[in-house]
Amino acid sequence: GESVGLHLPTLSVQEGDNSIINCAYSNSASDYFIWYKQESGKGPQFIIDIRSNMDKRQGQRVTVLLNKTVKHLSLQIAATQPGDSAVYFCAENRGGSQGNLIFGKGTKLSVKP
Amino acid sequence: EAGVTQFPSHSVIEKGQTVTLRCDPISGHDNLYWYRRVMGKEIKFLLHFVKESKQDESGMPNNRFLAERTGGTYSTLKVQPAELEDSGVYFCASSLQGWTLHFGNGTRLTVT
Repeated sequence: GESVGLHLPTLSVQEGDNSIINCAYSNSASDYFIWYKQESGKGPQFIIDIRSNMDKRQGQRVTVLLNKTVKHLSLQIAATQPGDSAVYFCAENRGGSQGNLIFGKGTKLSVKP
Repeated sequence: EAGVTQFPSHSVIEKGQTVTLRCDPISGHDNLYWYRRVMGKEIKFLLHFVKESKQDESGMPNNRFLAERTGGTYSTLKVQPAELEDSGVYFCASSLQGWTLHFGNGTRLTVT
């Protein structure tokens, strides 16, 4: 399948627990960050974004935290559900043109019922 | 609204052959992007159209890849001649304004 050869970090959580998915970035010039969710056979789906002038942003059941000091981004999912099982990617814009995003390797989230 | 659609969903071709991938963006979206994920690698940007103009093609790997968007509607990505390392999933995305990209389900290309 698509993930052969790409060993994704895996996070396994119990249904109802909170999930935290982490991402590190290296370029301090990055000014925009996005989290995507990709289910099997589908394209990446936008979850939430954050600009570098913010530290935290909340959506429905999701929160993104940005720590520019250590160049770290995290996605928190509250009350994780089986439908949250997917691969999660962080992506950043390093000051390039609109839509020129740098994607991370991804983290596979498995939710146990 | 209909999402971004890509055709075909799968394509298997032999090395040296030509393949053309098609992307229909969400109606009204001026911005169209191509990305790809080759085996063992991250999803990588290829290029960005604004209407029919190429805004940024810095991610195109070589001159075997040709992207077009005649009329500013659908887009095609042609690989000619295909090589083994071109195998992967090719994603198209579109956006109206700003940075919220809507991705299609991708075309899985296998070059044998």
